[in-house]
Amino acid sequence: DARVTQTPRHKVTEMGQEVTMRCQPILGHNTVFWYRQTMMQGLELLAYFRNRAPLDDSGMPKDRFSAEMPDATLATLKIQPSEPRDSAVYFCASGPPGQGVETQYFGPGTRLLVL
Amino acid sequence: KNEVEQSPQNLTAQEGEFITINCSYSVGISALHWLQQHPGGGIVSLFMLSSGKKKHGRLIATINIQEKHSSLHITASHPRDSAVYICAVRSGGGADGLTFGKGTHLIIQP
Repeated sequence: DARVTQTPRHKVTEMGQEVTMRCQPILGHNTVFWYRQTMMQGLELLAYFRNRAPLDDSGMPKDRFSAEMPDATLATLKIQPSEPRDSAVYFCASGPPGQGVETQYFGPGTRLLVL
Repeated sequence: KNEVEQSPQNLTAQEGEFITINCSYSVGISALHWLQQHPGGGIVSLFMLSSGKKKHGRLIATINIQEKHSSLHITASHPRDSAVYICAVRSGGGADGLTFGKGTHLIIQP
């Protein structure tokens, strides 16, 4: 049963600390998305990659957020320095190769609390 | 930027009722997704539509491209259908990231 995995599942940190979230897409999927969910804004796209290349990161605050794919099996989202307003659930999703993305498979999310 | 509106925001119904959730968007799209978010937070993709209608079990999704509108129907609703249902659109032009509605919180009472 192929699944997207995310680590850590929960993270509590203090303002100013660096936070790194990791995502392992489903093997063979070549598109990876990072989304953020808050009570106020709902779900928002932060960034996405195809074949490890960033295609759109316009939803991501550039001064403190960075997203990378060191290899095809790992995507990372870093926040440095973290702020209380970054508290949210961060979802990773992956999609199979093809014309567009038919279905996105979501990971369980990383619940981040910045104090 | 595409604006995605869902209605109703909250819906409580009795088991067995026919449920309809609506989604409208402001700009032409290449695809529309219906997602289900469980009370525990997990998100599952239910449908991806670019035209017409799709059916999976008791779930039916329709889209009218000209009217920029989609509906998700649940027949013979059951308490296990209780979840947040989220409409999301892909604007096309090579962009695959989704723009989301705020979701419809559905509760089915036994």
